[in-house]
Amino acid sequence: DADVTQTPRNRITKTGKRIMLECSQTKGHDRMYWYRQDPGLGLRLIYYSFDVKDINKGEISDGYSVSRQAQAKFSLSLESAIPNQTALYFCATSDLSRGPIQYFGAGTRLSVL
Amino acid sequence: QKEVEQDPGPLSVPEGAIVSLNCTYSNSAFQYFMWYRQYSRKGPELLMYTYSSGNKEDGRFTAQVDKSSKYISLFIRDSQPSDSATYLCAMSAGTSYDKVIFGPGTSLSVIP
Repeated sequence: DADVTQTPRNRITKTGKRIMLECSQTKGHDRMYWYRQDPGLGLRLIYYSFDVKDINKGEISDGYSVSRQAQAKFSLSLESAIPNQTALYFCATSDLSRGPIQYFGAGTRLSVL
Repeated sequence: QKEVEQDPGPLSVPEGAIVSLNCTYSNSAFQYFMWYRQYSRKGPELLMYTYSSGNKEDGRFTAQVDKSSKYISLFIRDSQPSDSATYLCAMSAGTSYDKVIFGPGTSLSVIP
């Protein structure tokens, strides 16, 4: 089984709909991240959490919110989806003892029509 | 100027060729340098990890860091079709709360 699991793997939704992307990990890491990936722009950080009580905005947090339900679970929500949120979304984890190395899930491909 | 720049390619080489992938950066505080490999429809996975300047070798892969020029490279010797993927460079200043900055990635195809 994957250490970092994202659900769903693919999602098509309509403009204005609320959508939640989920991430769970079995690595026992405290730190979790949400990124979006767009062609030519690479990975951009949306939100990150260093532990259950810690949530921080990344460089592109507008239009997104997150919830850290437990050490192993970190969800990303789009409150009212818009077409320019169409992208590939990745969850990642890291552990302070391993420095900046991050471990990624397989991604969620989201299309907003 | 972006913090990390990387030629997106695509780069196409014949099997067995030596491949050179490069990134430049502007933040002199970066100390940790990583290369991730991303196959189609998969998440990035760590390939190489180096600290400060110098070279690191792992099998067919060599990572080089030149902090004076703010330039890092990944060399792939005897390239194989299985090396076809997107390669992302990534960097961090490395303190406990520093974020990792990723390059946009270079798409590589190794033709049999």
